[in-house]
Amino acid sequence: DTEVTQTPKHLVMGMTNKKSLKCEQHMGHRAMYWYKQKAKKPPELMFVYSYEKLSINESVPSRFSPECPNSSLLNLHLHALQPEDSALYLCASSQVGSSNQPQHFGDGTRLSIL
Amino acid sequence: QQPVQSPQAVILREGEDAVINCSSSKALYSVHWYRQKHGEAPVFLMILLKGGEQKGHEKISASFNEKKQQSSLYLTASQLSYSGTYFCGTERDTDKLIFGTGTRLQVFP
Repeated sequence: DTEVTQTPKHLVMGMTNKKSLKCEQHMGHRAMYWYKQKAKKPPELMFVYSYEKLSINESVPSRFSPECPNSSLLNLHLHALQPEDSALYLCASSQVGSSNQPQHFGDGTRLSIL
Repeated sequence: QQPVQSPQAVILREGEDAVINCSSSKALYSVHWYRQKHGEAPVFLMILLKGGEQKGHEKISASFNEKKQQSSLYLTASQLSYSGTYFCGTERDTDKLIFGTGTRLQVFP
């Protein structure tokens, strides 16, 4: 069992749909992350929130919109996605300043775009 | 830039040893190591912060050569549970972890 919970585990959506991915942690971590992982590839950083503020956006297309409503929750809002956006989306959390702190990952949401 | 790992894949019998290398073209603040089993989340193994620092976790240890911008992960007396894909993660900016290319490890009885 992981301490970072992601829902849903699987999501299939059309290119015109709007959906949201959710992530929750109760470890008191104040840094939260979204990663995208394609099959047989490493996770790629998308967004970083530090103290509920967006601190890093790795030039992600605007069809992905992150939100951090409080210190325990992280959402990723999806709209008008493309087939190439199909991937595993991982959420992670850590103490702020992750250079000496491990990142804890959720099991991910497997997203398929039709 | 993404760190490069070698080898890309390793096949072992139980009890054998392996070394996985991670090289970066840029100076590093720290190196993380994670293992990801198929269909599961990456799991943290260890962090190395200082040049030359070695850390251990049961039969898995690692070293960090800051000057060479390299880290190596050592797996001794491998067990079936060691199978998975190993990623190094390097950090140059705070909170920005860049994962390496990955090394797939398979351990057979």
